[in-house]
Amino acid sequence: DGGITQSPKYLFRKEGQNVTLSCEQNLNHDAMYWYRQDPGQGLRLIYYSQIVNDFQKGDIAEGYSVSREKKESFPLTVTSAQKNPTAFYLCASSMGLAGETQYFGPGTRLLVL
Amino acid sequence: GQNIDQPTEMTATEGAIVQINCTYQTSGFNGLFWYQQHAGEAPTFLSYNVLDGLEEKGRFSSFLSRSKGYSYLLLKELQMKDSASYLCAVRDLQSWGKLQFGAGTQVVVTP
Repeated sequence: DGGITQSPKYLFRKEGQNVTLSCEQNLNHDAMYWYRQDPGQGLRLIYYSQIVNDFQKGDIAEGYSVSREKKESFPLTVTSAQKNPTAFYLCASSMGLAGETQYFGPGTRLLVL
Repeated sequence: GQNIDQPTEMTATEGAIVQINCTYQTSGFNGLFWYQQHAGEAPTFLSYNVLDGLEEKGRFSSFLSRSKGYSYLLLKELQMKDSASYLCAVRDLQSWGKLQFGAGTQVVVTP
């Protein structure tokens, strides 16, 4: 089955720790995205990538980093510089450039210990 | 930038109709999406409008008026499983591929 997978479903971070969220897709989509969702707020874009080895900052990139070494994979690292990391993180992908529908993975909930 | 407004919560009875409004301000409109999101789950795509008018998909319909910066999602014959958050998202020509999301409308369906 084609789709987007994210792991883990829940992730706990200690103070000063970097953690990495996984996102994999087998839809052959070129573009991938990371969003953060907080209660009462809309999804906010963290980073996006149009093609392998290229990525751009979204609206709230500070404290996060990404890589796009493979078409299928777009991992997100939440660094210790992100002071308020507790949120629901959603990965999405789309076939290509602007005009394409974005499809979402199941999400990872990050909690700070 | 974009401002997207939608009501926070709506309650309706099973079998009824509910209309969720979304208003937006954007400098270069290039499409409006509606997504459904159950608690703790991923948003799922419902509809896409780029031209004025009504798009119908079974029990769900979406309407767009570009001149008014307005869209609505109409849910007919409500079922308990329709209880979810409904997200309005707008794409701007000046922001390649990037969607700006509203905060979502929580629909509660009661028996």
